[in-house]
Amino acid sequence: GESVGLHLPTLSVQEGDNSIINCAYSNSASDYFIWYKQESGKGPQFIIDIRSNMDKRQGQRVTVLLNKTVKHLSLQIAATQPGDSAVYFCAERQGGSEKLVFGKGTKLTVNP
Amino acid sequence: EAQVTQNPRYLITVTGKKLTVTCSQNMNHEYMSWYRQDPGLGLRQIYYSMNVEVTDKGDVPEGYKVSRKEKRNFPLILESPSPNQTSLYFCASRSSGRVSEQYFGPGTRLTVT
Repeated sequence: GESVGLHLPTLSVQEGDNSIINCAYSNSASDYFIWYKQESGKGPQFIIDIRSNMDKRQGQRVTVLLNKTVKHLSLQIAATQPGDSAVYFCAERQGGSEKLVFGKGTKLTVNP
Repeated sequence: EAQVTQNPRYLITVTGKKLTVTCSQNMNHEYMSWYRQDPGLGLRQIYYSMNVEVTDKGDVPEGYKVSRKEKRNFPLILESPSPNQTSLYFCASRSSGRVSEQYFGPGTRLTVT
């Protein structure tokens, strides 16, 4: 099976709330973790990444947390907006490889 | 505008009829890749190319071929399509030094009857 997975397939939040999307991975040799956003009818779009030697990285309204002890990755979106509604994928790069392994995705719905 | 383009966007074909899905990028990226996306399975890599004339298999290469004769183009070839290749296909490219920042095309929805 895949080494990258998700805890929840769907997430529904109110506009303005914070969202947390979770991801579990099993390959401790992975050195890069990446979050992608896929809007309906479009290809995935890079959001943010984090190296395995970090535990937190912040972007604009997004924060990625990496917990290597429990092999867990999360994406936090602050003040979620309707435009954030999409499917979010985590992906990992297996160390020394050019290959990315993607999780199955979480669908985020933002209610007005 | 920096982009990855794919053609066609939609294709319905019959079993055994050879087809090619084209992919082109205008960012001078070395690395290009093809993925298929299926419900419940996420994105799975079919083939990738590190540069011109350098290609390698991904996780699900069976039934597919690729070529990389020019840096900007990376066509996906289905010599004898079968119904289990019905899927949504994405081409992606990135600079060789930027693992994370893959740019994806808009997708090609293929139906094989």
